[in-house]
Amino acid sequence: NAGVMQNPRHLVRRRGQEARLRCSPMKGHSHVYWYRQLPEEGLKFMVYLQKENIIDESGMPKERFSAEFPKEGPSILRIQQVVRGDSAAYFCASSPIPGETQYFGPGTRLLVL
Amino acid sequence: GQQVMQIPQYQHVQEGEDFTTYCNSSTTLSNIQWYKQRPGGHPVFLIQLVKSGEVKKQKRLTFQFGEAKKNSSLHITATQTTDVGTYFCAGEVAGANSKLTFGKGITLSVRP
Repeated sequence: NAGVMQNPRHLVRRRGQEARLRCSPMKGHSHVYWYRQLPEEGLKFMVYLQKENIIDESGMPKERFSAEFPKEGPSILRIQQVVRGDSAAYFCASSPIPGETQYFGPGTRLLVL
Repeated sequence: GQQVMQIPQYQHVQEGEDFTTYCNSSTTLSNIQWYKQRPGGHPVFLIQLVKSGEVKKQKRLTFQFGEAKKNSSLHITATQTTDVGTYFCAGEVAGANSKLTFGKGITLSVRP
């Protein structure tokens, strides 16, 4: 059973470009969570999605950030017009049902030049 | 909003020494989870504690959930160099859509 997959593992963008981060949950998991980790910081919750639904986006910045989890395909975290402050590691996690253990993917390290 | 605190952020121990760290929440939790992250790696789930006063052991690691379900501890007996990494606690509040609030973590270094 493959674990949570994220791609790309590393992403370099120039200011103003768009970044698309993908997350494929573990097989059988329909709940996906996105977190952001700044250097030497803990993980900050961003958004919780189920298939085709955003359940909780209380941690998402109001502008430039969006997330989706379509019926088919991976969950995508999209950052438009990136700025240097967006540089961070972005992790997604999945669980089979709410309240169960969340299993983390390897993360995408985003660097904005 | 809910806060989960882990202090200090760094601790250095001599190999073979015991190590204890604490996690405190500003609100009562439905459960608390511990994760370990190696440098450059991703958080790996270690344990989940649900019941008040619960104690769980994994080899040299002992986890405890406080009676009031607002704090937790991690104790490592006879640390080894393989224990290095950052240990995060994460609390879940009932009815919060399974949102985990993470502490900032404690980074453990072990001198051989």
